[in-house]
Amino acid sequence: EAGVVQSPRYKIIEKKQPVAFWCNPISGHNTLYWYLQNLGQGPELLIRYENEEAVDDSQLPKDRFSAERLKGVDSTLKIQPAELGDSAVYLCASSFTGPKETQYFGPGTRLLVL
Amino acid sequence: AQKVTQAQTEISVVEKEDVTLDCVYETRDTTYYLFWYKQPPSGELVFLIRRNSFDEQNEISGRYSWNFQKSTSSFNFTITASQVVDSAVYFCALRTSGSRLTFGEGTQLTVNP
Repeated sequence: EAGVVQSPRYKIIEKKQPVAFWCNPISGHNTLYWYLQNLGQGPELLIRYENEEAVDDSQLPKDRFSAERLKGVDSTLKIQPAELGDSAVYLCASSFTGPKETQYFGPGTRLLVL
Repeated sequence: AQKVTQAQTEISVVEKEDVTLDCVYETRDTTYYLFWYKQPPSGELVFLIRRNSFDEQNEISGRYSWNFQKSTSSFNFTITASQVVDSAVYFCALRTSGSRLTFGEGTQLTVNP
């Protein structure tokens, strides 16, 4: 069974430029998450989708970050404009909602803003 | 509020040594789930184990074992006879109501040959 797929794996941009990350979850998983991981720290949730609905986006900096999951499968996370402090790893995870829910993570996109 | 503390930032051992990674959590919820993930240099978080708050039975999986003690709010992870391939960052995480995972800061384990 294929795991969570993310692209690109690496991205280098100049500040003020836009950037987008794509995630394809594990087949059948209805819940999708975007996490931000700074160097030397644990991941922090940015947004959680259940199917097409964003049910937890309280940690998403909405002035520059946006996300969508139009058909309840793939998702895109966008930053516009990027700032130096956005340099980090952006992780996508998916799960099937329930008491025994376990989140499975993709390889992440490593972003460097110059 | 939920909190996970992994006091050991870095651990270095020699191959075949046993090593224990500590995890202490805080929550007021009575129903919660604890997790361990491994993050090798490739960057992907690999799920290792899930334990719910009502099951304090310790678990062993090959060289890995987990000790869950509600009395001390701890969920420690032991690797027996460590190998170089065990070198990675290990994260402990907590989930209470809803699906948000709260991660610790991680412990960098280096196993030297």
